[in-house]
Amino acid sequence: DAGVIQSPRHEVTEMGQEVTLRCKPISGHNSLFWYRQTMMRGLELLIYFNNNVPIDDSGMPEDRFSAKMPNASFSTLKIQPSEPRDSAVYFCASSRQLNTEAFFGQGTRLTVV
Amino acid sequence: GIQVEQSPPDLILQEGANSTLRCNFSDSVNNLQWFHQNPWGQLINLFYIPSGTKQNGRLSATTVATERYSLLYISSSQTTDSGVYFCAVDRSGGGADGLTFGKGTHLIIQP
Repeated sequence: DAGVIQSPRHEVTEMGQEVTLRCKPISGHNSLFWYRQTMMRGLELLIYFNNNVPIDDSGMPEDRFSAKMPNASFSTLKIQPSEPRDSAVYFCASSRQLNTEAFFGQGTRLTVV
Repeated sequence: GIQVEQSPPDLILQEGANSTLRCNFSDSVNNLQWFHQNPWGQLINLFYIPSGTKQNGRLSATTVATERYSLLYISSSQTTDSGVYFCAVDRSGGGADGLTFGKGTHLIIQP
């Protein structure tokens, strides 16, 4: 099993640009989660999907953030326009069902300059 | 939301020492996981342990759900055990799903 795959691993972009982060969950997993890790706030849940449907996006910080899951094997997290305070490591995780063991991807380190 | 408190926040030990990390949580949980974040930033699953005791090599964990705490034991520590250890929980009942993380225990194992 390849695990959760995220791309890119690193992204450096200029303020105001659009950023798209990608995630491929583990095959057969029905739940997908996006987290953000910063020094100030630690690891925090942004949004999660169950069976490709967004269930709770209350953790999304602003309307500049959006996430989609067009099919069971792909999800995107988009920031438009990006700001320096969006700099963080963004993790995607998946689990077989809600409330079961979650597995994390290697993360995308985003730097907005 | 549910609160997750980990202690100690920092721990420095010599190679070969044993350690106990604690996680307290404020509500009933369906899911409790321990992770190790290595120096490269990877979150590595250690245990999925909403209740009971599990062991994996030098590591073991115990969750007492009725008293709302979990313990992670590391025996005969090695320098490769260094990193940040996170406890994360998923509250039971309706409402929010997804893991709420503690702030972690930063462990340094010195040779």
